[in-house]
Amino acid sequence: KQEVTQIPAALSVPEGENLVLNCSFTDSAIYNLQWFRQDPGKGLTSLLLIQSSQREQTSGRLNASLDKSSGRSTLYIAASQPGDSATYLCAVPSGGYNKLIFGAGTRLAVHP
Amino acid sequence: GAVVSQHPSRVICKSGTSVKIECRSLDFQATTMFWYRQFPKQSLMLMATSNEGSKATYEQGVEKDKFLINHASLTLSTLTVTSAHPEDSSFYICSARTLAGVNEQFFGPGTRLTVL
Repeated sequence: KQEVTQIPAALSVPEGENLVLNCSFTDSAIYNLQWFRQDPGKGLTSLLLIQSSQREQTSGRLNASLDKSSGRSTLYIAASQPGDSATYLCAVPSGGYNKLIFGAGTRLAVHP
Repeated sequence: GAVVSQHPSRVICKSGTSVKIECRSLDFQATTMFWYRQFPKQSLMLMATSNEGSKATYEQGVEKDKFLINHASLTLSTLTVTSAHPEDSSFYICSARTLAGVNEQFFGPGTRLTVL
């Protein structure tokens, strides 16, 4: 059974810091891994999707890496801003219909 | 980009009534849609997988008679919470998977259900 773990559970940093959020999964046989952002009371916004054949993906100040063999992914946020404050979720497809298995998320607060 | 909408965004109802939530893929076709619920400060829990033209597949512990799912077309799936009770109050989110080979899911904005 696939399990996804995210650390840290919460993070509070001053504006401008570079951040690393961690995601680990127990079954390395995945097609891809997605990182999402969720603002309070809102749905999910897809940030990055890394295919199993890729090692990393970049979008603006975000960079996500994937190491399938060790069952790990990291989301790197450069030069954090208060607008980055949100919960970040990683998820991998598993089982029939490739349903997504989510981690519990990392709640990020970036203060001015 | 791929957009998924949900309606309504917020609903308040009395205990015992039924509530229908719609999930639409606006600019793409989705053979598969997923329904999740999320309690405060918790992650998403998959409730069921909805496939166009066939019966939904429910996760263990989810009552199929209470949470009725209909996937009538490639762009619309509905979730009906029947005889709602206060414990059904939650944030319900749908997602849709594109037909393209990337196998990426796109999420709706969510529906906040409050049962009095």
